[in-house]
Amino acid sequence: SQQGEEDPQALSIQEGENATMNCSYKTSINNLQWYRQNSGRGLVHLILIRSNEREKHSGRLRVTLDTSKKSSSLLITASRAADTASYFCATDNAGNMLTFGGGTRLMVKP
Amino acid sequence: NAGVTQTPKFQVLKTGQSMTLQCAQDMNHEYMSWYRQDPGMGLRLIHYSVGAGITDQGEVPNGYNVSRSTTEDFPLRLLSAAPSQTSVYFCASSRTGGPRDEQFFGPGTRLTVL
Repeated sequence: SQQGEEDPQALSIQEGENATMNCSYKTSINNLQWYRQNSGRGLVHLILIRSNEREKHSGRLRVTLDTSKKSSSLLITASRAADTASYFCATDNAGNMLTFGGGTRLMVKP
Repeated sequence: NAGVTQTPKFQVLKTGQSMTLQCAQDMNHEYMSWYRQDPGMGLRLIHYSVGAGITDQGEVPNGYNVSRSTTEDFPLRLLSAAPSQTSVYFCASSRTGGPRDEQFFGPGTRLTVL
């Protein structure tokens, strides 16, 4: 079973709009990571947020973490067509394994 | 640095055949892992290694073997291929923090089992 679950499963927006994706998980975590996957490619790391952090920024990306609700969100501001991809959250819950969610497929229309 | 490399990029097997998917990294990373990704889904962990000579099972290890004789290489062996193993396979590596660090992924191997 997957530790993280993304919501929505698919999202379609216009270029310039903001995109928000959510991730919920079940057990306590050490950290949570977000990855991007372009069609037919490997995953690329975007951002890592630790369990004692509440918010983190990287360029147009903003990630929040609410450990009381066991949830995280990824906000992409001023989206571009090049942001079209699948986005995955991944959690590390104190073992030696990283568990991925099912992903959100984002389409940004020019 | 080449990063994480995987070979082959594509492979078609018949049911019952065996093969090895190759994975290598040149970043001196201790932690390496194999995932499979089925259509429209996230990644599921098959096996991982925290260093040379040490391997362990992930979420879906059945039908797969791994070994880690060097820091650089982490091959994945399919013992007797089954159609259920049709998937895209990704290898990843990270620094000493293992799953607590950024993962570097290879480009993937697309495997079809007939």
